[in-house]
Amino acid sequence: GAVVSQHPSRVICKSGTSVKIECRSLDFQATTMFWYRQFPKQSLMLMATSNEGSKATYEQGVEKDKFLINHASLTLSTLTVTSAHPEDSSFYICSGSTGGGQPQHFGDGTRLSIL
Amino acid sequence: QQQVKQSPQSLIVQKGGISIINCAYENTAFDYFPWYQQFPGKGPALLIAIRPDVSEKKEGRFTISFNKSAKQFSLHIMDSQPGDSATYFCAARVNSGYALNFGKGTSLLVTP
Repeated sequence: GAVVSQHPSRVICKSGTSVKIECRSLDFQATTMFWYRQFPKQSLMLMATSNEGSKATYEQGVEKDKFLINHASLTLSTLTVTSAHPEDSSFYICSGSTGGGQPQHFGDGTRLSIL
Repeated sequence: QQQVKQSPQSLIVQKGGISIINCAYENTAFDYFPWYQQFPGKGPALLIAIRPDVSEKKEGRFTISFNKSAKQFSLHIMDSQPGDSATYFCAARVNSGYALNFGKGTSLLVTP
């Protein structure tokens, strides 16, 4: 149980393109979803936290106009990287939680490469 | 600012040996301490977790030891196997609904 599906798993696109990443909780209702970014051989850095139906809360230094997060339902959150540039290339990972002290369950990540 | 400090950065253990990874924290408000295992190209998977009201938790070959006064916790992998080779992250969380604060990770290699 507690499966989070992330799509696409890999995307390669040209600079200036906007890219949307989907994160779905398949067998539970994710009251809260988190988006992380991970550079090679580094830890996961939190980008933003979103609660269903509310605006996302972004971490310091994360541009909310560049990384658009939507959490319109209890099973789906999306991250859109707008006008992506090579420095946005990274591994993006989402996680979901039912809240109430329950664990976070992670998706398998999206490898984003901007040429 | 790294709220959870993890060591060592990398670890090589022979098959059958014990792998030990340590983490330390400063924020006494942390009340949940999970360990995650991550294989290349995959997201982290929850391995085992502990809350500060117990000093040890064991699940199969994996044990968390927790020292509240020292603000330290560690993961022990008994009878380490080559399939355990992965990156391990410790983490801590203030409260439900809050994001995890991750350590920097430990790359474990178990040699045959």
